Amino acid sequence: GEQVEQRPPHLSVREGDSAFIICTYTDSATAYFYWYKQEPGAGLQLLMSVFSNVDRKEEQGLTVLLNKKDKRLSLNLTAAHPGDSAVYFCAVIPYTGYQNFYFGKGTSLTVIP
Amino acid sequence: GGIITQTPKFLIGQEGQKLTLKCQQNFNHDTMYWYRQDSGKGLRLIYYSITENDLQKGDLSEGYDASREKKSSFSLTVTSAQKNEMAVFLCASSIKGAGNTLYFGEGSRLIVV
Repeated sequence: GEQVEQRPPHLSVREGDSAFIICTYTDSATAYFYWYKQEPGAGLQLLMSVFSNVDRKEEQGLTVLLNKKDKRLSLNLTAAHPGDSAVYFCAVIPYTGYQNFYFGKGTSLTVIP
Repeated sequence: GGIITQTPKFLIGQEGQKLTLKCQQNFNHDTMYWYRQDSGKGLRLIYYSITENDLQKGDLSEGYDASREKKSSFSLTVTSAQKNEMAVFLCASSIKGAGNTLYFGEGSRLIVV
């Protein structure tokens, strides 16, 4: 089945700096890609989703890059602020199992004021 | 907008006890999910259901039962609680179909004494 690796597990950046998180996946038929944010004591909240025909998507200080050749998905938070401190998860869905999301293990981001 | 409500937020039980978690959603979503979240391990799918009375096993279904009594509710039972099962259980829902966003509840923390 699909294997999703996410790194780094922990990341500290200063306010105003960028934070960069990478996920790699194994199934070349993977169709849908997601980034979720989890704040303490809360469920996961969708940040951005992309379909496999999209290489780059930008929204509100977030940039998602998809490199299908290398099977790599990344999230870049530009100009991070303390409110961005949370755990971030990538998730993917293969074409064949459209209900089954595969999640990375998460990246705990701390933004230092 | 809608909301997913998980009860209880904390569930304390004894080893060997049968324990049940409940989830309600008012999105009118077809598909509902139960995930287990362990620190440093990401989310792992226990069960999902694509409609009332439907159940599909995820990767982690052993030791659990689930029940989709009606479209809006999905319950998860730990059949015999073990101390190594202390984790956060997350309920989610989505529209049926490929690539649809997951919406999450805030989670229920299981504590086994």
